[in-house]
Amino acid sequence: DGGITQSPKYLFRKEGQNVTLSCEQNLNHDAMYWYRQDPGQGLRLIYYSQIVNDFQKGDIAEGYSVSREKKESFPLTVTSAQKNPTAFYLCASSRLAEEYSYNEQFFGPGTRLTVL
Amino acid sequence: QQQVKQSPQSLIVQKGGISIINCAYENTAFDYFPWYQQFPGKGPALLIAIRPDVSEKKEGRFTISFNKSAKQFSLHIMDSQPGDSATYFCAASRVGSFYNTDKLIFGTGTRLQVFP
Repeated sequence: DGGITQSPKYLFRKEGQNVTLSCEQNLNHDAMYWYRQDPGQGLRLIYYSQIVNDFQKGDIAEGYSVSREKKESFPLTVTSAQKNPTAFYLCASSRLAEEYSYNEQFFGPGTRLTVL
Repeated sequence: QQQVKQSPQSLIVQKGGISIINCAYENTAFDYFPWYQQFPGKGPALLIAIRPDVSEKKEGRFTISFNKSAKQFSLHIMDSQPGDSATYFCAASRVGSFYNTDKLIFGTGTRLQVFP
């Protein structure tokens, strides 16, 4: 089956600890994204990557870090600097846009992070 | 200019009724308008999308209506069913340039509940 996997589904951490969320895709997509979802605020872009070893900040990158060492993997680290980390985190991927094409993103099942 | 405004925040519809969700945008450079459907605890999935060269697109019970001059687009769900109960997100983007995929800008979401 092709798709995006995120693990774990639920994650608990103590305040002040860093935690890494996993995202793996076997769709052979070049672009990958991390979003944060909070009630009433929709999906907010944290980081995105269009190619291995390169990534860009999204709208709410403060307190987060990412790496893209392999095409199929895009882990997100929530650091202790993130002031309000409790949220539902979604990973997505898409093909790189060819000229005059559109960005259909495919989402993983999400990880719910709770800070205790 | 980058925002997509979505309303209502929540919607309750009786089985068999019509559900209507509205979105508005400011950036006239946007030319791709998808709708995503998200069930509780899952990631969003692309439902239907439209380009501004048409005013309406229909797929089964789901229809997007697009008003370019008003910079508005809406999702209509005909004959709404309890299985349609989910959160719906509109989004907007621009066509990608070669090897450069553009970001999707999401609305804040509408929680639809369809009662039998």
